[in-house]
Amino acid sequence: EVQVVESGGGLVQPGGSLRLSCAASGFTFSSYWMSWVRQAPGKGLEWVANINQDGSEKNYVDSVKGRFTISRDNAKNSLYLQMNSLRAEDTAVYYCARATYSSGPHPDCWGQGTLVTVSS
Amino acid sequence: QPVLTQSSSASASLGSSVKLTCTLSSGHRSYIIAWHQQQPGKAPRYLMKLESSGNYNKGSGVPDRFSGFSSGADRYLTISNLQFEDEGAYYCETWDRNTEVFGGGTKLTVL
Repeated sequence: EVQVVESGGGLVQPGGSLRLSCAASGFTFSSYWMSWVRQAPGKGLEWVANINQDGSEKNYVDSVKGRFTISRDNAKNSLYLQMNSLRAEDTAVYYCARATYSSGPHPDCWGQGTLVTVSS
Repeated sequence: QPVLTQSSSASASLGSSVKLTCTLSSGHRSYIIAWHQQQPGKAPRYLMKLESSGNYNKGSGVPDRFSGFSSGADRYLTISNLQFEDEGAYYCETWDRNTEVFGGGTKLTVL
């Protein structure tokens, strides 16, 4: 069964850091782009970042550039999101997603999400 | 960067059909999109990829009741024989130079 499972969410103070992890199974992880997508409480989906198969290309939404870093470890079938200088507006459920590529990456398998709350 | 416009809400009766619309911004009418479903309190689920030609490819396990078609800048998701389990939010998504963007979503109510 194709599966991605997020972990690492929690409560963090403004200005703090958090590292999210995503464990993949049931598919050849190293053959896929991977994405992070977030959803603030009561709001819609917002793409955050993606990374290509070997980690040589990384893309970010403007609001997180310079603060968040996406990375992957293909030997461990794992995806990461390092979040620094966190702000209240980063509060959201963060979803990891496997991304298939058709003129561009888009999610075709979503995780259950992990909640990040930025508050003092 | 493309912009996707969706109606904020829609409703239809149990057993009927509904058509949800996603409109691509000017200059992006040839773009491929994806449709995702999010049932209340759950994670999103990938439904399909939809091309400007109207060709679509559904995700694993997506019922035959779900289909897509295209007309100009508009991308449609049609759900036939509506079930209560179809209630929730539907998001379209597209991509440009490997960056992704979502529409605002349509909340579907099954009456």
